[in-house]
Amino acid sequence: AQSVTQPDIHITVSEGASLELRCNYSYGATPYLFWYVQSPGQGLQLLLKYFSGDTLVQGIKGFEAEFKRSQSSFNLRKPSVHWSDAAEYFCPPSDQGGKLIFGQGTELSVKP
Amino acid sequence: GAVVSQHPSRVICKSGTSVKIECRSLDFQATTMFWYRQFPKQSLMLMATSNEGSKATYEQGVEKDKFLINHASLTLSTLTVTSAHPEDSSFYICSARDLTSGEVTDTQYFGPGTRLTVL
Repeated sequence: AQSVTQPDIHITVSEGASLELRCNYSYGATPYLFWYVQSPGQGLQLLLKYFSGDTLVQGIKGFEAEFKRSQSSFNLRKPSVHWSDAAEYFCPPSDQGGKLIFGQGTELSVKP
Repeated sequence: GAVVSQHPSRVICKSGTSVKIECRSLDFQATTMFWYRQFPKQSLMLMATSNEGSKATYEQGVEKDKFLINHASLTLSTLTVTSAHPEDSSFYICSARDLTSGEVTDTQYFGPGTRLTVL
């Protein structure tokens, strides 16, 4: 069965520092991959998505993610974190029926 | 583009009453919408898939008579929590698939969520 693992439940980084959030999936074929961000008490906002083609994907708010088939990973990166980036991050793959498979998420805290 | 709204954003009701939550795709047509619930500090749990003009498909363990879903138009799906009890208190989030963008595959766009508190 398809599954996704976000190994880090909580990450704290200093403002201005670089960020990498890990995401590993288990899937028979290359899934459709997404990164969403959720601020407290809010819905989810799409940061970026990967379907095919160039494995380095640019998203909104300065985020990017790289799909690595050999590692079954789709890690999210940002070169310089802002305090407003503090939120919960999810990387659900999509199954063939269009359902998103959610893992536990990663909570990002940003230190001043 | 691809904006999804939910109404109400917050609702407090008494135990035993029913509550309706609306999910609308504002600038695109959504043949499929999804309903999730989320407990504090937890991930999203898919409750059901709502298809326009047909019956919803519920995930295992979700009571379809408890959580009534109607998807009467291409821009509106509703979730009614019937005879609500305190254990139904949660954050309910909908999403809609935009199949009109021309992409081969689809993307889900999420509403802002509805906080339900049952007293």
